[in-house]
Amino acid sequence: DTAVSQTPKYLVTQMGNDKSIKCEQNLGHDTMYWYKQDSKKFLKIMFSYNNKELIINETVPNRFSPKSPDKAHLNLHINSLELGDSAVYFCASSHSGKGETQYFGPGTRLLVL
Amino acid sequence: GNSVTQMEGPVTLSEEAFLTINCTYTATGYPSLFWYVQYPGEGLQLLLKATKADDKGSNKGFEATYRKETTSFHLEKGSVQVSDSAVYFCALSDRGTGNQFYFGTGTSLTVIP
Repeated sequence: DTAVSQTPKYLVTQMGNDKSIKCEQNLGHDTMYWYKQDSKKFLKIMFSYNNKELIINETVPNRFSPKSPDKAHLNLHINSLELGDSAVYFCASSHSGKGETQYFGPGTRLLVL
Repeated sequence: GNSVTQMEGPVTLSEEAFLTINCTYTATGYPSLFWYVQYPGEGLQLLLKATKADDKGSNKGFEATYRKETTSFHLEKGSVQVSDSAVYFCALSDRGTGNQFYFGTGTSLTVIP
């Protein structure tokens, strides 16, 4: 039933570690996104994939690398984690085209110690 | 460029009070406009949308009208409930690759009994 799912829901790790967050959607959408939400609730787009092709690549450190094995999956790998990476990461999906509603996952709460 | 400016919070209201959260936008084309709601610990959910000027979006007692002349999309509800306590985000999607959304900074609403 779940439309956009993310794993894990919580991630607590040490500085310097490498971690991955997985996202899957079963809505038949062809576009997927990663957002970062900071402690003040500000949402920042990080990446977007359309049909497995990277189309939005905002200014984020190159320690962040998205991977889309197929249209239904978009994973986020983070190398050498830093304290400032602590945030909530949301995956979203939509049909392509202006005005299409984006559907969000429940979020992954990342805490870097 | 594209941007969204929304009323800063936090907003605290008593149950059954009238709610307005202001949202204005800047866009290079003819955007679609959205209101999303984020309940504590959850992802963003679409509340309502409007895709062209003078359209009114409505859902769960909330309404917003797309005003091109004032570049606004203010959210209103006639009588708020405690269960409406959440963070509300205004967003736009304009012409461009991948249905990129531009979000406002979010407005936190607390409704007290």
